[in-house]
Amino acid sequence: EADIYQTPRYLVIGTGKKITLECSQTMGHDKMYWYQQDPGMELHLIHYSYGVNSTEKGDLSSESTVSRIRTEHFPLTLESARPSHTSQYLCASSESKRTRATDTQYFGPGTRLTVL
Amino acid sequence: DQQVKQNSPSLSVQEGRISILNCDYTNSMFDYFLWYKKYPAEGPTFLISISSIKDKNEDGRFTVFLNKSAKHLSLHIVPSQPGDSAVYFCAASDRGGGSNYKLTFGKGTLLTVNP
Repeated sequence: EADIYQTPRYLVIGTGKKITLECSQTMGHDKMYWYQQDPGMELHLIHYSYGVNSTEKGDLSSESTVSRIRTEHFPLTLESARPSHTSQYLCASSESKRTRATDTQYFGPGTRLTVL
Repeated sequence: DQQVKQNSPSLSVQEGRISILNCDYTNSMFDYFLWYKKYPAEGPTFLISISSIKDKNEDGRFTVFLNKSAKHLSLHIVPSQPGDSAVYFCAASDRGGGSNYKLTFGKGTLLTVNP
């Protein structure tokens, strides 16, 4: 099982602030993902990365940006937070395999963001 | 349009009995399915998965059944324990179709196991 960490766990900030949500994994996984989830709803993919210097937008449009300068680190940044950004943000990672055996994603504990 | 549907928002069972969580999907290209368990304010925890070449996979108290013709899968938990109380998410992936291993999630089912 992957060791994947997210900080902060909870964040309450005012409108217009710039924030960065941190995500790190220690398993050397090449793929990493950011999801957004609201209560009672499914997880929506907002960003993913297949490796260093690779980032792609997910299925749900998001005003956030990501970077992947190191394999283990995949931070998400909001330049100017708004109340509509209030949500839980979940980071995940998985390992590429040549076989089709598995490609399970392992999740961090999440960051609960509240923008006032 | 939801491609993965969990039509029961909640389920309540007695401790020791069987819990059956259901999931339906519409995309026939999905070939890999997973179940995750999530406690409030925590990230999802991987439980069990199944490839479309199988119809059953078992791991301890957890068994996943896949019915490809009906585009339906279910998670059985036997016996259910109070610690199993959580939201269970079904997820699917089209690994062979170039979707690059992205997971599509259902909305989850809240399982409550009563002592």
